[in-house]
Amino acid sequence: QVQLVQSGAEVKTPGSSVKVSCRASGGSFSSEPISWVRQAPGQGLEWMGGITPRSTIGKYAQRFQGRVLISADTSTNTVYMEMRSLTYEDTAIFYCAREAGVGESHFDHWGQGTLVTVSS
Amino acid sequence: SYGLTQPPSVSVSPGHTATITCSGDSLEQTYTSWYQQKAGQSPVLVIYEDYKRPSGIPERFSGSNSGNTATLTIIGTQAVDEADYYCHTWDTSALFGGGTKLTVL
Repeated sequence: QVQLVQSGAEVKTPGSSVKVSCRASGGSFSSEPISWVRQAPGQGLEWMGGITPRSTIGKYAQRFQGRVLISADTSTNTVYMEMRSLTYEDTAIFYCAREAGVGESHFDHWGQGTLVTVSS
Repeated sequence: SYGLTQPPSVSVSPGHTATITCSGDSLEQTYTSWYQQKAGQSPVLVIYEDYKRPSGIPERFSGSNSGNTATLTIIGTQAVDEADYYCHTWDTSALFGGGTKLTVL
């Protein structure tokens, strides 16, 4: 039974950075890509980027390129999403989601979400 | 890249059929998946590869894909199906539709 467990809620000030973790258990970790999806309050799902843990190379949506870094630690089965230069508009729930296949597949498992609040 | 368009809302009476569409250029060339998201919860996969149901998803959920439109159908809609539904596919990046709020009343 695959489980994705994310780190807890964060409160950040504008201009700062946040790093959210997603630990996988109960299944293979290295092969299936894990993505990060953002959901602003009352809004829809937005794909930010993803990584195949064994490759350590992230792929990013254009609007997040350069501001988001996705990394993986295969020794702890954990994927990280770091976002810098936070603004109020970055207040959102961030989900990690695992793809069912080796690439461009559906997301069959989701984390519980991490609320990041940007506030002064 | 291209977007996926869904109706913002759909209403259905209990026991009736709900239909949610998702339109986008070249959808016929890619698989579509659908996710259900209830208030305060993480999304849950309900349809993948256009029409396949994951284990545990009721048979009343079905999907189809024709041309540039994918469709999620719920036959015999129940109150527990009230949720937001998102379609998803891949282009150069992952794409999600804007979401459809399904109201069962």
